Amino acid sequence: QVVLTQSPSASASLGASVNLTCTLSSGHSNYAIAWHQRQPEKAPRYLMKLNSDGSHTKGGGIPDRFSGSSSGGERYLIISSLQSEDEADYYCQTWGPDIQKVFGGGTKLTVL
Amino acid sequence: EMQLLQSGGGLVQPGGSLRLSCAAFGFSFSSSAMSWVRQAPGKGPEWVSIISGTGARTYYADSVKGRFIISRDNLKGTLDLQMNSLRADDTAEYFCAKGLTISVAGAIDHWGQGTLVTVSS
Repeated sequence: QVVLTQSPSASASLGASVNLTCTLSSGHSNYAIAWHQRQPEKAPRYLMKLNSDGSHTKGGGIPDRFSGSSSGGERYLIISSLQSEDEADYYCQTWGPDIQKVFGGGTKLTVL
Repeated sequence: EMQLLQSGGGLVQPGGSLRLSCAAFGFSFSSSAMSWVRQAPGKGPEWVSIISGTGARTYYADSVKGRFIISRDNLKGTLDLQMNSLRADDTAEYFCAKGLTISVAGAIDHWGQGTLVTVSS
């Protein structure tokens, strides 16, 4: 079964850029993923679907500051011009041929 | 505007039952697979169950198989999760979630507001 690995934490300064990484387990480098954001005390929000070729489709209302890219089994969420409201937990999600949806453990982003 | 409004949840004793509901607005409900996802405090999300757009196909995580039942009413635009034989490790915030496409395999592209389920004596 596919496994998604994320670093537990990341930090960057206000106005800077940050790359969050989601790593697909061996043998699953062609999988697409989705990125979700969970701000404190809020429900998760879908950010984008990210394909293995780096193409991505963002959800409605997601700012241009959010983008994605791919390299091999790595899937990146790139946030530029960081704002205080970007401080949140970020989760990647994929899906296997057995239908079960899989989530990464999440990265807690701190905006300094 | 796309909305998923959840109801149900609360405190229940181990071995008890609870029913969660989710009302969908602002999109073609029958064209979307729908899931339930839960998140325990301090942990990442865990997929629980999914139902196809027609309701003909259902799938469950091993942790809930045989205890939980997912269902939908496309005329009413509602999704339910009947939870039986509840255990302490079912304690979590539960979210209904819309699939990006009609396929059961795919991304989640919208979430409900969440409802807390606490299993405790």
